[in-house]
Order: sequence, then structure tokens, then C-alpha cells
Amino acid sequence: AQRVTQPEKLLSVFKGAPVELKCNYSYSGSPELFWYVQYSRQRLQLLLRHISRESIKGFTADLNKGETSFHLKKPFAQEEDSAMYYCALSGGASGTYKYIFGTGTRLKVLA
Amino acid sequence: DTGVSQDPRHKITKRGQNVTFRCDPISEHNRLYWYRQTLGQGPEFLTYFQNEAQLEKSRLLSDRFSAERPKGSFSTLEIQRTEQGDSAMYLCASSLGFGTGSNQPQHFGDGTRLSIL
Repeated sequence: AQRVTQPEKLLSVFKGAPVELKCNYSYSGSPELFWYVQYSRQRLQLLLRHISRESIKGFTADLNKGETSFHLKKPFAQEEDSAMYYCALSGGASGTYKYIFGTGTRLKVLA
Repeated sequence: DTGVSQDPRHKITKRGQNVTFRCDPISEHNRLYWYRQTLGQGPEFLTYFQNEAQLEKSRLLSDRFSAERPKGSFSTLEIQRTEQGDSAMYLCASSLGFGTGSNQPQHFGDGTRLSIL
């Protein structure tokens, strides 16, 4: 079955602490993985895409095919990082472009 | 370009009524998607268009749901005989892609929140 699992509904960290938002997936094939973020009263927006291998707003994510994981990390959390984070996968090369989303993790960065 | 636009932002209706939502994608995007999101869940895929062709539909899309993209630009999603369980946020997204395996990331609209009384 195709599935994305985000085990934590809520993650609270203090400002300046490291952050790791977990994402595990189940997919038969080679999916494309994404992290989307939704700030308060804003629309979903792309944060990271695994094939880009970029660092956006200090966040990075590495695709681990062996562990089927795509965890999102940031070494020093900022208050403005507080938001809802969704991990998503797409079939990409297999020709299906729909996204399968996880249930999301709310990140709260405390002052 | 203001991004993906959805109308209305909110819709309140009585059970049994029909509702229609509109989505205007980013102008050069050829792919358009509809998702539904309920409280505490991530968005769930409903259907997707490439230009005017509806290429994939989820099992979530019952016979009461129909989507169109008549000229390959804007899209409408209609729900007939609404039920309490239809209450959700309906999200539209668009992307640009050519051929198998080629797809830029999806851009999302603000969504239409549907409430069934």
C-alpha cells in the first residue's frame, strides 16, 4: 500500500534547539518526496523536494531508501518555524502525479 | 501571477443541496488536482486533469462528485445531494509537466471550506 506516516502530531522545541520531523513512506517503486509547510492563515507551500537536495530556511531532508524515510531537520529552530508540516510523495516517473500526504506534524518553537 | 485561486473561500449549505467550487490554476500550468482535507488529516487526492482530460480519480470520488476542466484552464468541482460527511476543506493545486516522469511541484490554493448544516 502507498502510505506516508508522520508519527508525531505535535512537536514542541525551544528556540535554538535542533528539530527533526519524521516521515516514513511505503511505496513500490521510486517515489519523489516533498515537504510542504503551512504557516498560520496561509496556504500550503513547498518547502523541500528531495531531488533538489537544497537547504531552504535552514531545513534539509535526506531520502533514505533503505529505511524508507525522509526526515526533515534543522539545527537551530526559530520561532518563525512554528507551522504545520506535511510530508508527501508522488509516483513521478511511474506516471502518477498525485500526492499522498501524511497527517502532518505541528511544530511549535517556544521562546 | 497571484497563484492558484479558489472560489468561494467558504460555503455553508444545507444537507441535500448541490454545491460547485471553482479553481483557477497558475496560467501556464497544464495539470490540475483536487484534494479534500478534513480536520487532523493531510490532504487526500480526489482527481487530476492534464489539460482538459481527467486522467485519474480516487475511490473517494463517489457518484455525487463530478469535476470538469472544459478548456484546460479553470476547473469546477460539483457535489450533488451533499451529506454531513462532505464537510471539509477542498484544495486545488496545479503544476507544470511534460511527458511521463516530468512534473514540477504542485502549487496549492487557499481552499474552499464547505460546511454542511
